[in-house]
Amino acid sequence: AQSVTQPDIHITVSEGASLELRCNYSYGATPYLFWYVQSPGQGLQLLLKYFSGDTLVQGIKGFEAEFKRSQSSFNLRKPSVHWSDAAEYFCAVGPYSSASKIIFGSGTRLSIRP
Amino acid sequence: GAGVSQSPSNKVTEKGKDVELRCDPISGHTALYWYRQSLGQGLEFLIYFQGNSAPDKSGLPSDRFSAERTGGSVSTLTIQRTQQEDSAVYLCASSQQDRGHQPQHFGDGTRLSIL
Repeated sequence: AQSVTQPDIHITVSEGASLELRCNYSYGATPYLFWYVQSPGQGLQLLLKYFSGDTLVQGIKGFEAEFKRSQSSFNLRKPSVHWSDAAEYFCAVGPYSSASKIIFGSGTRLSIRP
Repeated sequence: GAGVSQSPSNKVTEKGKDVELRCDPISGHTALYWYRQSLGQGLEFLIYFQGNSAPDKSGLPSDRFSAERTGGSVSTLTIQRTQQEDSAVYLCASSQQDRGHQPQHFGDGTRLSIL
């Protein structure tokens, strides 16, 4: 069965520290992978996506993610977090051609310690 | 603003009543999506509109749910005879066709509470 797992429900990091949010997937075909952010009082926003090519993708707001096929992972990283990064982050996987088959993880809530 | 607009932002209604939720996508976006987000859960796909193509309704949980998109722009999600399990945040998103079939820009959602 196809699935997306975000093992960490809630993470707290200090401002200025590095961040890595984990995402593991199970998918039968070539996966297309996404990260979304849902900030307080704001709608979900697409951070970055991976379709093919370079396995390290850059997104908005200084985020990046690395696709590792051997580990079935697509972890999100940021070298130095800012207080404004506090939000809920969702990983998603699906085919390029079908919106209905995109599966979202249950999210990781990120808190920033001053 | 130029983002996806949803109304109402909050809706409280009694079990058994019908509700209509509205979504106004970003101008020029041909793709429109509806999702449902329950507490502590990821997003659950409901329905997808793309241009003049027949909508993909495969995510609608029951025949009490329906959606339409008029003139390729505004969309309305209707839930008939609401049940308590319908309580959730309903999210609308839109995308440009040439950016793949994933949602890009979401609205703030409608928080639906069924008493």
